[in-house]
Amino acid sequence: QSVLTQPPSASGTPGQRVTISCSGSTSNIGSNFVYWYQHLPGTAPKLLISMNNQRPSGVPDRFSGSKSGTSASLAISGLRSEDEADYYCAAWDDRLSGRVFGGGTKLTVL
Amino acid sequence: EMQLVESGGGLVQPGGSLRLSCGASGSTFNSYAMSWVRQAPGKGLEWVSTLSGSGNTYYADSVKGRFTISRDNSKNTLYLQMNSLRAEDTAIYYCAKDPRPYYDAWGYFDFWGQGTPVTVSS
Repeated sequence: QSVLTQPPSASGTPGQRVTISCSGSTSNIGSNFVYWYQHLPGTAPKLLISMNNQRPSGVPDRFSGSKSGTSASLAISGLRSEDEADYYCAAWDDRLSGRVFGGGTKLTVL
Repeated sequence: EMQLVESGGGLVQPGGSLRLSCGASGSTFNSYAMSWVRQAPGKGLEWVSTLSGSGNTYYADSVKGRFTISRDNSKNTLYLQMNSLRAEDTAIYYCAKDPRPYYDAWGYFDFWGQGTPVTVSS
């Protein structure tokens, strides 16, 4: 059971906007930054969003992050087939004194 | 930009040992905290262990006392010694780098390797 809660799956058609939610608590998302990672099985996970809403160099502006209270969201606009991957949220947990992940959301581009 | 390449995974019997390696290139290895993160079959990512730039070690409760993280800065290599392995340790193990030398609330994983598979089975 992951500390952060994500929907197991999401889907959309090319060009659509999709959002993936991540729910936590006051000890993690509520008091720390949220990070998002993109992972295609068999490859290296990739940092997509840092510090709630910052895109590292090279990440398209189609990807955006937001946080409100104890929840966070990743939005992907102009969906493309290459966006089909697993997406994970992560944060520091003050109570556990460690980094925690969500269970991951598998995004399917129909 | 740092490149990370894991090796050392394989099939091991329950109770056995295995040592994973992570070779780093492209950046000053000893300036950063380095970690191991794993993904069990059909499961999400799970943080396993971190070694800070100053040498402090941190472990998930599930591996504490069984796994040991270390590094050889002269070889730009991170290690994970895994002892008393259990079936639930079966996973792909990823090496990941922090942008800072600390393991704290301000850190995150900015670069990852492609992982090495570990299977614990008789």
